[in-house]
Amino acid sequence: DQQVKQNSPSLSVQEGRISILNCDYTNSMFDYFLWYKKYPAEGPTFLISISSIKDKNEDGRFTVFLNKSAKHLSLHIVPSQPGDSAVYFCAASVSGSARQLTFGSGTQLTVLP
Amino acid sequence: ETGVTQTPRHLVMGMTNKKSLKCEQHLGHNAMYWYKQSAKKPLELMFVYNFKEQTENNSVPSRFSPECPNSSHLFLHLHTLQPEDSALYLCASSQALAGATYEQYFGPGTRLTVT
Repeated sequence: DQQVKQNSPSLSVQEGRISILNCDYTNSMFDYFLWYKKYPAEGPTFLISISSIKDKNEDGRFTVFLNKSAKHLSLHIVPSQPGDSAVYFCAASVSGSARQLTFGSGTQLTVLP
Repeated sequence: ETGVTQTPRHLVMGMTNKKSLKCEQHLGHNAMYWYKQSAKKPLELMFVYNFKEQTENNSVPSRFSPECPNSSHLFLHLHTLQPEDSALYLCASSQALAGATYEQYFGPGTRLTVT
């Protein structure tokens, strides 16, 4: 049973608009969450993270929101750019658990010019 | 070289072959990881090495044998693989301080095809 789920396999957004990528988790022990971006033929690249003591973390055009009660996190990209087109993975971890990351299956974001 | 490098980038092997995947990190990290990514599936953690010691083996079949001679190098030795082992194999590294989680940095992966 997947502990981290990304229920939307794909998302298309117009350039300049907001992209919202969603992720749900089931394990209440997760206390650290990360987003990775992956281009074809490359490994995943770390994008942004959030600890469970926060509900929001912002880095430039990227903001991650965490709703612990709903076991839900989201990544907002604004404004979206064509170069943001990639597969986005969310991942979760329990502190002190040998740094194991549990990944979702990814969402393919396409930003249309 | 910078970041995490992996060789080869592509590998085709028969079920009776023996081959090895190599990973090298130039980030000064102390933890290294092997992941498997099959089509349409999440990344699956295979092995974790912390300061050259294997700390996790997620029920990986013995036909996959990892080796970590030092904190900068990680190998995955392959023998008598099955066609279902065809996948993208990713190496990653991170800092390794107790009780903390640090972001992992990934290599480009080796695309393995077992015929």
